[in-house]
Amino acid sequence: GENVEQHPSTLSVQEGDSAVIKCTYSDSASNYFPWYKQELGKRPQLIIDIRSNVGEKKDQRIAVTLNKTAKHFSLHITETQPEDSAVYFCAATYNDMRFGAGTRLTVKP
Amino acid sequence: DTGVSQDPRHKITKRGQNVTFRCDPISEHNRLYWYRQTLGQGPEFLTYFQNEAQLEKSRLLSDRFSAERPKGSFSTLEIQRTEQGDSAMYLCASSIEKYEQYFGPGTRLTVT
Repeated sequence: GENVEQHPSTLSVQEGDSAVIKCTYSDSASNYFPWYKQELGKRPQLIIDIRSNVGEKKDQRIAVTLNKTAKHFSLHITETQPEDSAVYFCAATYNDMRFGAGTRLTVKP
Repeated sequence: DTGVSQDPRHKITKRGQNVTFRCDPISEHNRLYWYRQTLGQGPEFLTYFQNEAQLEKSRLLSDRFSAERPKGSFSTLEIQRTEQGDSAMYLCASSIEKYEQYFGPGTRLTVT
C-alpha cells in the first residue's frame, strides 16, 4: 500500500518569510496529491491539489510542485501570515487516500 | 448548510458497547470515505464507497468495524465491542470520484 512521509514535523517562520513542506510517496500508481490545512479543533480543509499530469500549480500565495520521477511533492507558502499557523497534511492517492503525519507551522508576527 | 455533516459530534461509551456514527455527504458526491484521526497524526484511511458499493477497506481495520451506504447517500460506521484504543476522531469525507475530498466535522469517540 501507499506510504507517505512528510517533513519537517514542525516549522517556525517569521511573518513574511516563505515556508516549504516536503512529502514523499511510495506507490508510483498514485496520481492525485492534495494538501490540507487543519486548525486546532477543526476539520481538515483542502487548500490546493495537483494531479500527476501537472508539475506545478499555484493559487495566490500557495503553490505545489510534483516530481513524479523522484516521487516527491512540496507545498510552498510565500509571504506567510499569522493566520497561516496550523497543521498541514499532504496526501497521495490512487484510490484510497494516505496522509502524511503533518507539519505544525507557526508564523511569528 | 450543504457541506458534509456527521452525527453525533461527540460520543462517550463504555468499553464493550457498540456505537454507530452517521455521515451525510454533499448531495452530488458519489464517493464517501471514512477516516480515523488521533492526536498529532494525519487521518488514517478506513474504508470508502463509490455510490453504495464498498470498494476498499483498510487491512488494519478490525472485524469489529463495519460500514454501510445502503442507498448511495448517507453512510453509517459501526464499531462493535468498543475498546479503549478505539478512542479517536472519526472523520467522514465525500468527493466526486477521488478528487477534492471535503471533510465533515467529525465524531469524537471516547471509550471509558
